[in-house]
Amino acid sequence: DTGVSQDPRHKITKRGQNVTFRCDPISEHNRLYWYRQTLGQGPEFLTYFQNEAQLEKSRLLSDRFSAERPKGSFSTLEIQRTEQGDSAMYLCASSQSGGLLNTGELFFGEGSRLTVL
Amino acid sequence: GNSVTQMEGPVTLSEEAFLTINCTYTATGYPSLFWYVQYPGEGLQLLLKATKADDKGSNKGFEATYRKETTSFHLEKGSVQVSDSAVYFCALSDRLDSNYQLIWGAGTKLIIKP
Repeated sequence: DTGVSQDPRHKITKRGQNVTFRCDPISEHNRLYWYRQTLGQGPEFLTYFQNEAQLEKSRLLSDRFSAERPKGSFSTLEIQRTEQGDSAMYLCASSQSGGLLNTGELFFGEGSRLTVL
Repeated sequence: GNSVTQMEGPVTLSEEAFLTINCTYTATGYPSLFWYVQYPGEGLQLLLKATKADDKGSNKGFEATYRKETTSFHLEKGSVQVSDSAVYFCALSDRLDSNYQLIWGAGTKLIIKP
């Protein structure tokens, strides 16, 4: 399968613990996005990378959240000192920038569902 | 700024009914328009897209036409099935925005009853 993959699919943790999610984008895609989605809502943009550079972070992203994409391939999203309000689905997407054929379409993974008790 | 507005749900229909989910947008540039679908417990999947005015996107019996004059991209299907029950999101991507971020509608939950 050559789509976007995310791991783990589900994570249950206690408040105050740290969690890390991994995303493997489509291999030829240079852009990678993280979104958060809560029940009944649309996705909220968190951050995005072009290659290894983190180019934008949402003001929603508190300093407990950090994302990396060290070699411009996979990415990790870490949440430190989790709070119950962090419970959500964390979605990763990738795309290829540039060129007249780029329509702006994002390709999403299945998501990582976080439950903070 | 760019924005997407779609009709509120839930929309409840009987099997084989005709479906329309309205979506309108505002954009300062030249957007591409998308419909994504999210089945229960799953991630987002692209349903269809259109990249310029008068383009029609289609997939799995769903269609949407990019109408620049009415700034709309309404989703239609002639005969819905129970398996179409999902949340549908309208979104745009402005190619003049170098970030290529998707701007999302709030989503419309569709419930199809047998």
